[in-house]
Amino acid sequence: QQQVKQSPQSLIVQKGGISIINCAYENTAFDYFPWYQQFPGKGPALLIAIRPDVSEKKEGRFTISFNKSAKQFSLHIMDSQPGDSATYFCAASIINTNAGKSTFGDGTTLTVKP
Amino acid sequence: DAGVTQSPTHLIKTRGQQVTLRCSPKSGHDTVSWYQQALGQGPQFIFQYYEEEERQRGNFPDRFSGHQFPNYSSELNVNALLLGDSALYLCASSPGEQGRYTFGSGTRLTVV
Repeated sequence: QQQVKQSPQSLIVQKGGISIINCAYENTAFDYFPWYQQFPGKGPALLIAIRPDVSEKKEGRFTISFNKSAKQFSLHIMDSQPGDSATYFCAASIINTNAGKSTFGDGTTLTVKP
Repeated sequence: DAGVTQSPTHLIKTRGQQVTLRCSPKSGHDTVSWYQQALGQGPQFIFQYYEEEERQRGNFPDRFSGHQFPNYSSELNVNALLLGDSALYLCASSPGEQGRYTFGSGTRLTVV
């Protein structure tokens, strides 16, 4: 049972454009939703995260939109740059009960063309 | 400030052998989690260690075992290696048992 479904699998965007990656989850007990960025040969790096008590969080060019009723959240990368080309993973976890394991999506490979 | 350090970076083992992977967490972090990342997939949770005890375990067989030391560093052991164990093994540390991870660069294990 895949608890976090991520789409699209791959995405090509022109420099300066907006990249949008979507995730859907099943377990309503999840209360922490991070996005990770992974470059080849490296481990995932935490990019931005959101709790379900807010609908949007923005950090620089990166924004998470969260829809609790639809059990969906998305990552928006504004003014996409070639350096943003990487694989992006959404994840979900339950942190309030000290059960901090994260369930990851299968990833989205983003290519930003110059 | 050193992040999460994993060793070795690459490893080639023969089917049936045993392997030990090592992880030093980020300074100030006391919880270590291990993940397996197959090519083209997201990380899959193996287990988590906190206060030298295994606190949670994912859907992995008993061939996968671990340990956490008093200095919070950790080891992942895999016995009776199978070809399907070939993957990138990631160590993630966090302050407490929360999901706010700092990942290491991983150990690339190849089983032949």
